Amino acid sequence: DADVTQTPRNRITKTGKRIMLECSQTKGHDRMYWYRQDPGLGLRLIYYSFDVKDINKGEISDGYSVSRQAQAKFSLSLESAIPNQTALYFCATSDPADSQETQYFGPGTRLLVL
Amino acid sequence: AQKITQTQPGMFVQEKEAVTLDCTYDTSDPSYGLFWYKQPSSGEMIFLIYQGSYDQQNATEGRYSLNFQKARKSANLVISASQLGDSAMYFCAMREGRNTGGFKTIFGAGTRLFVKA
Repeated sequence: DADVTQTPRNRITKTGKRIMLECSQTKGHDRMYWYRQDPGLGLRLIYYSFDVKDINKGEISDGYSVSRQAQAKFSLSLESAIPNQTALYFCATSDPADSQETQYFGPGTRLLVL
Repeated sequence: AQKITQTQPGMFVQEKEAVTLDCTYDTSDPSYGLFWYKQPSSGEMIFLIYQGSYDQQNATEGRYSLNFQKARKSANLVISASQLGDSAMYFCAMREGRNTGGFKTIFGAGTRLFVKA
């Protein structure tokens, strides 16, 4: 089984709708992240959480919100989706006890906002 | 300012040959980490290799090696004996601020590698 899972894997929604992307991990990592990937721009950080009570804005947090329900779960919400939020979204985790603190990614969620 | 630069949008390599993917970075943090990830057409991000700023030797992982030139602020990925399955997008990333609490990981725009049979 995958260590970092994301649901849904694909989603089509309409402008103005509220949607939630979910991420779960079994790696036992304290730190979790949400990124979006757009062609030619690499990955950009939306939000990150160092533990259940610690949530921080990343580079592009406008239009998004997050919830860290438990160590293993980190959800990303688009309160009112707009077409330029069409992108590939990744959840990632890392362990601060790891000297490298490599980030491990989920499979991604492809979101299309019409 | 661009902190991670990958100047090659696309690269071609003949199967079984070696290829170098370029990455330059910019940071004033003395403690940082450099990563390379592979993204095949299926979309997942696969961790390949890591180099710490204080590491004296270049990192190697199987057919992957990292040519780390600290003074030039470059961290090029070398793939030896290319295989068709190496065709993918490759991202260079840098993590800085770990020791100062100002944590940040930044990704480059990526290089798409095509391996020719």
